[in-house]
Amino acid sequence: QQQVKQSPQSLIVQKGGISIINCAYENTAFDYFPWYQQFPGKGPALLIAIRPDVSEKKEGRFTISFNKSAKQFSLHIMDSQPGDSATYFCAASYSNYQLIWGAGTKLIIKP
Amino acid sequence: EAGVVQSPRYKIIEKKQPVAFWCNPISGHNTLYWYLQNLGQGPELLIRYENEEAVDDSQLPKDRFSAERLKGVDSTLKIQPAELGDSAVYLCASSLTSGNTDTQYFGPGTRLTVL
Repeated sequence: QQQVKQSPQSLIVQKGGISIINCAYENTAFDYFPWYQQFPGKGPALLIAIRPDVSEKKEGRFTISFNKSAKQFSLHIMDSQPGDSATYFCAASYSNYQLIWGAGTKLIIKP
Repeated sequence: EAGVVQSPRYKIIEKKQPVAFWCNPISGHNTLYWYLQNLGQGPELLIRYENEEAVDDSQLPKDRFSAERLKGVDSTLKIQPAELGDSAVYLCASSLTSGNTDTQYFGPGTRLTVL
């Protein structure tokens, strides 16, 4: 119930392509869904987040799509660049509950 | 503005030895988190502080792990004695308040290797 399932585990995309990472959850009480980006040797950093009252949120090349009925959300990276190569984590939380993290997706953008 | 500071960055110890990690959160942030991150996995919460009070330590292995946050600012996480399975990256994060939508800012972590 408290898990967030993330896929794929790893992803290779050509420069300029679209990177898509998916997450699914069970607990309908979750009301906050952030995506974090982590580079090697660094801590995770918030990339973009969404609340369930909207179906999509866009910030630059990064878009979250949210499907409340399917209990799924995804991160789309448009025009992927080599500098986007990192590990991406989805997460979910509600009220004062802790963030529940996905297992991460290692994204490699090939030049 | 300085981010979350952690030290040391790397630590190698023999099993059964004690080890301590230090974290200085972003100034003004009331909430502090310690996470454990195994290779290829997401962070797992160990303990959350609101000011100097540990409000969620349900996942802290209290037989060997301890933490403190004196004066509600810096925090120390200790392991005594360390076991082989404790090898991981220990991340500290802070946020302005404990609201679940408050952004958590992470430090670079301490990579612990137990031999």
